Amino acid sequence: DIVVTQSPDSLAVSLGERATITCKSSQSLLYSTNNKNYLAWYQQKPGQPPKLLIYWASTRESGVPDRLSGSGSGTDFTLTISSLQAEDVAVYYCQQYYRIPHTFGRGTKLEIK
Amino acid sequence: EVQLVESGGGLVQPGGSLRLSCAASGFTFSSHWMHWVRQVPGSRPVWVSRVNKEGTISNYTDSVKGRFTVSRDNARNTVYLQMNSLRVEDTGIYYCARDGGEPSLDYWGQGTLVIVSS
Repeated sequence: DIVVTQSPDSLAVSLGERATITCKSSQSLLYSTNNKNYLAWYQQKPGQPPKLLIYWASTRESGVPDRLSGSGSGTDFTLTISSLQAEDVAVYYCQQYYRIPHTFGRGTKLEIK
Repeated sequence: EVQLVESGGGLVQPGGSLRLSCAASGFTFSSHWMHWVRQVPGSRPVWVSRVNKEGTISNYTDSVKGRFTVSRDNARNTVYLQMNSLRVEDTGIYYCARDGGEPSLDYWGQGTLVIVSS
C-alpha cells in the first residue's frame, strides 16, 4: 500500500497567521499520462464527515476560501492556510488516490494559539 | 442538493453480518462511482471499497476482501455494502461518498455506526 505521512500531528497558530501542513507519500503520486498528482486534502470538524478541500494536489474545490491552497508534486505536498480564521479549526487529512487502496494520512489537528 | 443517507448499522457479534445502504439524491447517481470509507472516531479514515457507475467493477481494501461486497441499484439510487464474517476491527462509522470524477470524494454522508462486539 502507498503510505502517506502527514506532519505535524498537531499545530497551534495565531489568528491571521499562516498554517502549513505537509504530506509525504511513499511513492510518486504523479501520473505521467496526464501530469496530475493524485492527492486530495480534506477538512473534518467534530461530528461531521470529511469535507473535500483540494484535489489534484492544488485544485480548490468549489466554495473553498482562497486562503486555503495546495501545492507540491511527486511525493511531497503542502496544504497552506494563509491567514488562519476561527472556522479553520479542524483536523486535516491528505489522501492519495493513485492506487487502490486509497490511503489517508493520520491527520493534523489545527488549533488556535 | 446532493444528499447521501446511510443506514443499516448497529451492534453485531463477531462472525455476524450486516448490510449497509446509502440512498443518494440530488444528482445523477448512475454517473458516479461510489465509495465506502470507515472511520473510528479520533483516527484517520480508512478507504474500504468502491463500485463503478454500472456496478460491474468493484475494489476493496485487503482486510475486507472475500468478506465484504459492494453493489448498487441505479434504479433505486442506492449503493450497498454487504458485510459478512464481521470482526472487531471492522468497528467504526461507515460513510458512503461520491466520487467526483477526479476521483476524490466530493460528497459524504453523515455515516452509520457499526459496532462488532461480543
